[in-house]
This record gives sequence, C-alpha cells and structure tokens, in this order.
Amino acid sequence: EVQLVESGGGLVQPGGSLRLSCAASGFTFSTYSMNWVRQAPGKGLEWVSYISTSSSTIYYADSVKGRFTISRDNAKNSLYLQVNSLRAEDTAVYYCARGGTYYGIHFDYWGQGTLVTVSS
Amino acid sequence: DIQMTQSPSSLSPSVGDRVTITCRASQSISIYLNWYQQKPGKAPKLLIYAASSLQSGVPSRFSGSGSGTDFTLTITSLQPEDFATYYCQQSYSTPWTFGQGTKVENK
Repeated sequence: EVQLVESGGGLVQPGGSLRLSCAASGFTFSTYSMNWVRQAPGKGLEWVSYISTSSSTIYYADSVKGRFTISRDNAKNSLYLQVNSLRAEDTAVYYCARGGTYYGIHFDYWGQGTLVTVSS
Repeated sequence: DIQMTQSPSSLSPSVGDRVTITCRASQSISIYLNWYQQKPGKAPKLLIYAASSLQSGVPSRFSGSGSGTDFTLTITSLQPEDFATYYCQQSYSTPWTFGQGTKVENK
C-alpha cells in the first residue's frame, strides 16, 4: 500500500523557516517524481514544487521561487521542502504527492498533509 | 500561466442524480487534464487522468471527457459518498494549475 506521511509543520513567525518532510513507503520511491501541493485554509489547491527521480529536474511555482527548496533522499525514501522567508500567505496545509506520468504529471497518491501557520 | 475555470462553483443534487462539472482551460491543453475529489479534512484523491482514464479503484460511475479547452467530469448516479469538492488540474505545462473547485453539496 502506498503511504506518504508528512511532518515538520507548525507555527512560525513571518520571516522564519521550517523543513517539511515526507516519508514514503509501499512503492519504489526512487522511480517516481514527487511534488509538494498546498492548500490555504478554506481555499483551493496550489502546486508548489516538483522534483524528478534523480533530482536533476526541479520546478517551483513563482510564488515560492527563491524561498523554498525541494530535495529528496532516495536512500531514505524521503522528500523534503525547506521553506524560508515565510509570509502570512504561505499559511496552508502542505501535501506531498507522488507524480504519475501519462500526458504530463498528475498526482496519483497524496499524504495527509502538514499544517504550516505563519503568524506573529 | 494556464488558467482553469470550473463551473458551477457549487451544486446541490440528490442521490441518484446525474452530475456534470465543467472545466475550461485558457488555452488548448490537448488531453492533459486530471480530476480530483476532496472531502473535508482529507487529502485530494485522483479520479481521472489524461481527460478520460479512470484511476485504479475509482468507481465506474465517474467518467471524464473532452480535449482542447473544454472538459467534463460526469457522475452517472450520485452516491452519498460522492458529496465532496472536485478539482480539475492541467498537466500541459508548468506551473501546473488547478480549477477553483466545484462543491457538490447535500441538500
């Protein structure tokens, strides 16, 4: 059974940092691209970042470029998101999502999410 | 960026009804279109990918159609567990973008 478990969220002041983690199991992690998708309270879904299987290709949404860094450790079956210079508008549930490939990237399995709250 | 627009924003059908949700892209995206279902407090779940391919384990009452700019998600006979919010997502180009969501509410 595919499982994705996020951790690392919490309350942080504006300008602060966090490192989000996603532990994967139930599939061969190294053969799938991975993504972070977020959802602000009561709002819709926003794709945040993508990383390819070997980390050779990385994409970011413009809203987080230069502040967030995605990475992965295939030996540890783990995905990470370093979030810096946090703003109030970054408050959201952050989901890790596995990338399925057929006519582009779709998100075929999701974790339960970790809440990041940016507030003073 | 490709803008995705869903309609309606909400609807209140009855169990057994046929439900149709529309998604329109701001430019042609071929069949690079996916559909998700999200229930309150839960992660989204993939229903349909590549416009019309049913994800494994998803009931056959769900179907998708369309190409280019106009797409449709259809639920042929709404079940109690189908009350949720539905999102479309384009996978044609980054940034991958979602529609604003369609809430299927219980009357």
